[in-house]
Amino acid sequence: QSALTQPASVSGSPGQSITISCTGTSSDVGGYNYVSWYQQHPGKAPKLMIYEVSNRPSGVSNRFSGSKSGNTASLTISGLQAEDEADYYCSSYTSSSTWVFGGGTKLTVL
Amino acid sequence: QVQLQESGPGLVKPSQTLSLTCTVSGGSISSGGYYWSWIRQHPGKGLEWIGYIYYSGSTYYNPSLKSRVTISVDTSKNQFSLKLSSVTAADTAVYYCARSGVVFSYYFDYWGQGTLVTVSS
Repeated sequence: QSALTQPASVSGSPGQSITISCTGTSSDVGGYNYVSWYQQHPGKAPKLMIYEVSNRPSGVSNRFSGSKSGNTASLTISGLQAEDEADYYCSSYTSSSTWVFGGGTKLTVL
Repeated sequence: QVQLQESGPGLVKPSQTLSLTCTVSGGSISSGGYYWSWIRQHPGKGLEWIGYIYYSGSTYYNPSLKSRVTISVDTSKNQFSLKLSSVTAADTAVYYCARSGVVFSYYFDYWGQGTLVTVSS
């Protein structure tokens, strides 16, 4: 099972919006609405930000949103804040009953 | 609030077996409804799902690691454990334990803080 494809880095200024893509196959991202997104600050555990493509857990800011089209899922962060600077990982459940993650995207808030 | 905490040796010699335990608090493994997984992160790299166990003892492993992985559960202690045999330097990583749902809840909502395991002689 190959890792999902994410851009290595994205950046934006405070107040702007950014989008991180996550590309898989019909066996994972494209085949199920089980895409989730995680935020990871340095030295910390990943934190669930989006589940089932577009749902936010309680306590997660509504500045975070998710979507999917075909084999590509996307995470959008609007109104960028300094605290959003972190690594972001996508994940998908797969047709093999396993999970696969993306390689991660480093978000820099300029 | 569910909490997970990994524990185990931080240094393992090549060819030996890596053993880690995850202690769950704030919720009972034996109540069912959740898979309990191990996930690792190589230094500076992405995440890799290793496998999960259900309270009944049923398991499922990443095919790429299946031949070397054993996950077990001790419901009396509210713990689950990972054993990875024949380790090499490529198994050096931060190991996390995490929880996901069973029925159409295929995301990891609670994670341990992670523990770094270094494979070196």
